[in-house]
Amino acid sequence: GQSLEQPSEVTAVEGAIVQINCTYQTSGFYGLSWYQQHDGGAPTFLSYNALDGLEETGRFSSFLSRSDSYGYLLLQELQMKDSASYFCAGRGYGQNFVFGPGTRLSVLP
Amino acid sequence: ETGVTQSPTHLIKTRGQQVTLRCSSQSGHNTVSWYQQALGQGPQFIFQYYREEENGRGNFPPRFSGLQFPNYSSELNVNALELDDSALYLCASSLEGWEGAYNEQFFGPGTRLTVL
Repeated sequence: GQSLEQPSEVTAVEGAIVQINCTYQTSGFYGLSWYQQHDGGAPTFLSYNALDGLEETGRFSSFLSRSDSYGYLLLQELQMKDSASYFCAGRGYGQNFVFGPGTRLSVLP
Repeated sequence: ETGVTQSPTHLIKTRGQQVTLRCSSQSGHNTVSWYQQALGQGPQFIFQYYREEENGRGNFPPRFSGLQFPNYSSELNVNALELDDSALYLCASSLEGWEGAYNEQFFGPGTRLTVL
C-alpha cells in the first residue's frame, strides 16, 4: 500500500519561513511532488523531486530523502497569498498517484 | 495554449442515478487522470488514461468508469450513485514521455457533484 502523512495545519507570519513535512510509506515510489490548492480552486503544481536533494523554484524549495522516506516543502518570504492547502503526492506502482491529506497553511499579517 | 476545462461546474443528482462528467485536457497532453476530492481531504486517484486506454486505477469500484478520446477530451461515468459519491471531481492532464513531465499534472477547476 501507499500512504503519505503531513501535518494538518501550519501557521506563520508574513515574511517568515515555513517548512511542511511529508513522510511516506509505499511499496514502490517514483519521486515526490508538491501541489498548492487555494479554497475553491484547483491544485496547481509546485515542484517535483525525482532524486534526493533540494530543488529550488523561486521562493519555494522542495527536498527529498528516499532513504528516510521523507520530504519537505520550504516556503520563504511568506506572503498572504500563500495561505492555502499544500499536498505532497507520490507516484507508485501501476501509475497510481497518491496524495497526502494536505497541510493548511495560514499566513498572518 | 488552453488550460484544462471541466463541465459541468456543479451537478445535483439523486441516489441510484448515473452521471457523466467531462474534461478537456491541455493541448498536446496524452494522459488524463481523474480524482475524487472530499471536503478537507486530499484528492483520491480514481484512474488514469494514456492514449485512450486505462493504465492505472485506484481503489474505486467498477461503477466508476471512463473514456479518453483522440481529441484529448475525456469522460468520467459513475453509475448507481451513492450519497458518499458527493465530492469535487477533478481531472488532470499531463504529458507522458519522461518522468518529470509526467509528474507535473495540470488540474481543471473540477465538478462539484452532490448526491441527494
